[in-house]
Amino acid sequence: NAGVMQNPRHLVRRRGQEARLRCSPMKGHSHVYWYRQLPEEGLKFMVYLQKENIIDESGMPKERFSAEFPKEGPSILRIQQVVRGDSAAYFCASSPPSPSGSAYNEQFFGPGTRLTVL
Amino acid sequence: GNSVTQMEGPVTLSEEAFLTINCTYTATGYPSLFWYVQYPGEGLQLLLKATKADDKGSNKGFEATYRKETTSFHLEKGSVQVSDSAVYFCALSDDNFNKFYFGSGTKLNVKP
Repeated sequence: NAGVMQNPRHLVRRRGQEARLRCSPMKGHSHVYWYRQLPEEGLKFMVYLQKENIIDESGMPKERFSAEFPKEGPSILRIQQVVRGDSAAYFCASSPPSPSGSAYNEQFFGPGTRLTVL
Repeated sequence: GNSVTQMEGPVTLSEEAFLTINCTYTATGYPSLFWYVQYPGEGLQLLLKATKADDKGSNKGFEATYRKETTSFHLEKGSVQVSDSAVYFCALSDDNFNKFYFGSGTKLNVKP
C-alpha cells in the first residue's frame, strides 16, 4: 500500500506566478489535510477536506490560496500570484473514514513539497 | 486556544546517552498528544501517542506520559542510537482529531 504521494517534491516559482501542489492520499483514505512548515518552525494547519467538500479552512490565508479534493484525482493546493513569503514546505496528510464509535484517526503524512519563490 | 511549546534544539548526544525532549501544551477541551519524527527529506511519521491523562505512549524505546497536572508530554529514551538522529515534533489534536497543532520541532543529533 503506497503512502501519501505529493508532487512535485520541489517547486520553484517567480513572484507573481501560480503554484499547484498535488497530493494523492493513501488508498481508502477520504480525508485530506494540508499543512505549511515555514523554516525553523513547526507545521501549521491550513485546511481539511473530504471528497468534494472543504470541512475546515480556518488556517488558509484569505487571499491567493485555495484547495480542492475532487471526486476523482488528487487534492490540489493552489497558490496564485506567489510572493517570497510563500516559500515553505507544504505537507499533505490523509486519514481513512473514522471507524464507527472511534474518535481518533491517525493522519499519515506525505514527504512534502518544498516551494521556493524567487 | 491550542498551542504546543517544545525545547529548542539542536540537541547533540553521544550514542547510548539518555534523551529527554520537553514538550508543554495549552489546550481547551480534552486533547490527544503525539510525538512525530521527521527524517531528512521525508514526511512526518507518528512515533507515539496518548489520548487521555496519565496514558503512556511508547514505541521503539521512546516513551512519553500525558501529564495533565503539568500540561506536559516529555519524550524520553534510555539509550539513543545514531539512527535516532532526526527532528522530533510534539503535537496535539483537537477534540475532533481534525486539526493538529505542532511545536516548532527539536533536532536531535546522535554521534557515535
